[in-house]
Amino acid sequence: AQTVTQSQPEMSVQEAETVTLSCTYDTSESDYYLFWYKQPPSRQMILVIRQEAYKQQNATENRFSVNFQKAAKSFSLKISDSQLGDAAMYFCAYRMHNNNDMRFGAGTRLTVKP
Amino acid sequence: DTEVTQTPKHLVMGMTNKKSLKCEQHMGHRAMYWYKQKAKKPPELMFVYSYEKLSINESVPSRFSPECPNSSLLNLHLHALQPEDSALYLCASSHPGQGPTNYGYTFGSGTRLTVV
Repeated sequence: AQTVTQSQPEMSVQEAETVTLSCTYDTSESDYYLFWYKQPPSRQMILVIRQEAYKQQNATENRFSVNFQKAAKSFSLKISDSQLGDAAMYFCAYRMHNNNDMRFGAGTRLTVKP
Repeated sequence: DTEVTQTPKHLVMGMTNKKSLKCEQHMGHRAMYWYKQKAKKPPELMFVYSYEKLSINESVPSRFSPECPNSSLLNLHLHALQPEDSALYLCASSHPGQGPTNYGYTFGSGTRLTVV
């Protein structure tokens, strides 16, 4: 079974600074996908960034980037130039290729201080 | 249309009531999902439909009954629920496993269910 671990229940960052959220996962598969989702108080889960395991290049989406270390099974999210609107719960998620089963980590609550 | 629409947004029901949650998408996704999310916890997978057929049932009690009448609609029928079933119920859709799975899921904003 695949498991996703987020070891930081809460993180805090000053506005305009950079913060990194950690995620590790356990799998015996070689082909899979990793995601970071954001859940603000509005409750909707919003896809922030995705990474295909077969790609060595780390994904980036504007201020969001990942550090994907396949051998270490690590998938951290870096948020640069943090904004007040980034405050939310962040979930790391894993999905095996050709499988309709996405699993989430426990989440990290990010607070952004003005 | 790039949304998953869930209705109602809030629902309060008694333990003897029968109610239904509805989810709709028009993105051509052929996989649809129900997740249950308790406060300060991650979403937990309940059911998966792929091409309108139930493909995953995560040992959910029979008081929850899913239905996928067509490729755009997903229902969750509720009957004889318990107070511990109070939670946020999230619907999601995606391309199925044989499709571009790297795109992740699109989620609705959920139904906040309270069982009294």
